[in-house]
Formats: sequence, structure tokens, C-alpha cells
Amino acid sequence: QLQLQESGPGLVKPSETLSLTCSVSGGSISSSSYYWGWIRQPPGKGLEWIGSIYYSGSTYYNPSLKSRVTISVDTSKNQFSLKLSSVTAADTAVYYCARWGTQWLEADYWGQGTLVTVSS
Amino acid sequence: QSVLTQPPSASGTPGQRVTISCSGSSSTIGSNTVNWYQQLPGTAPRLLIYSNNQRPSGVPDRFSGSKSGTSASLAISGLQSEDEADYYCAAWDDSLNGVVFGGGTKLTVL
Repeated sequence: QLQLQESGPGLVKPSETLSLTCSVSGGSISSSSYYWGWIRQPPGKGLEWIGSIYYSGSTYYNPSLKSRVTISVDTSKNQFSLKLSSVTAADTAVYYCARWGTQWLEADYWGQGTLVTVSS
Repeated sequence: QSVLTQPPSASGTPGQRVTISCSGSSSTIGSNTVNWYQQLPGTAPRLLIYSNNQRPSGVPDRFSGSKSGTSASLAISGLQSEDEADYYCAAWDDSLNGVVFGGGTKLTVL
């Protein structure tokens, strides 16, 4: 059974860089059938797609976040990562990693999510 | 303001059939497939419907999806108390070159 697990600091100071890693177990991140991506959910609000990456390194980013986002993949560790720079309180959210099918772009496996709070 | 528009709330009584709408545009639902997610309180979203009307294994056939033009719908028949959750539609946006979500619909089982 595929499992995804987010890890990283739960508290980040304003203007600093948020860094999260998603560890994938029970399957290979190098599969050609899937993208791997990040979604976030501010407290009490809806879902927002942040971006996705293919095992080859090709990326797609939300245009509203593109200038601050970097998603990378480490196939040797079966992990992918998110960096979001110059964070503000508006970036406080639960961050989820997920696997996305390439044909229908459906997120069929999700991590449990990790709350990141931006505060001094 | 979400690119895909959903009603903020919906409700029904046990056993009833409810539908949740998702309105988009020619660059979203009009030219791409729609996926639906269920988010139970305090948990991660779960894929409910993909490719407009396909159910992943393990999803009861009480859940069904449809699409027409630039709109899509999720129907839940035989409503149960455990269906009380937030429901989100999602699709690829050719204009934004990314995935967009609806604002979510909170379903209450009365």
C-alpha cells in the first residue's frame, strides 16, 4: 500500500523559507504514470494546488505562487520536496503531499498533512 | 474567489439523494475531466470520483459524478451520516496551466 508522509518544521518565521519533504513508501517515485505534488489548506478554508513534479524533474507551479515555489525530486531517496520562500502569515496552512495520475490528473494518494504556522 | 464555483453548503436527511454542483469555464471543465474529493473532519482529502464519473476501488456506488459542458455534478444517493464532510471538485485549467479546485461544499446530514 502506497504511503506518503510529510516532514518539516511546524513553525517558520516571516520572510524565511518553508521547507517540507514528502517520503514515499510502498511504491516508486520513478513511475512514469504519476506526478507528485503539493496542496495546501489554510485553517478553515479550501484546497489550493501548489505544484507538481514528474520523476524526470519537469515541474508545474501555481502561477500565483510560482515566483516563490521550488519543488524538487530525489529518486534515490524516493522523496520529493517543497520550498516556499519569503513566507508571510498568509502561508499558514496544512500542507499535503499527494500522488497524481498523469492521465486524469487525479490525486489518488495523500499524506496526512502537516500544519505549518508562519509567525515570529 | 475560486476558479471552479461550488455552493458553500448542502444538506439532506438520511436516505435522501443530494447533488453538489461545480461550475467552471471552457478552459477548465469545458476541456478537461473533473475529479471530486471528500474531506472528512480533521482528515486529508480522499479521491471520490475521477475522470468525471469513475469511482476508485472502495468508493461506494452511492457516489456518482457527471459532467455536461462547463459544469459537473456529484450525486450522493442513500445519504448516510458518515457522508457529512466537505466535498471539492477539481480540474486542470488550460489558461493557468495548473490544477484548480472549487471552494468546497460542506454537506450536512440532518
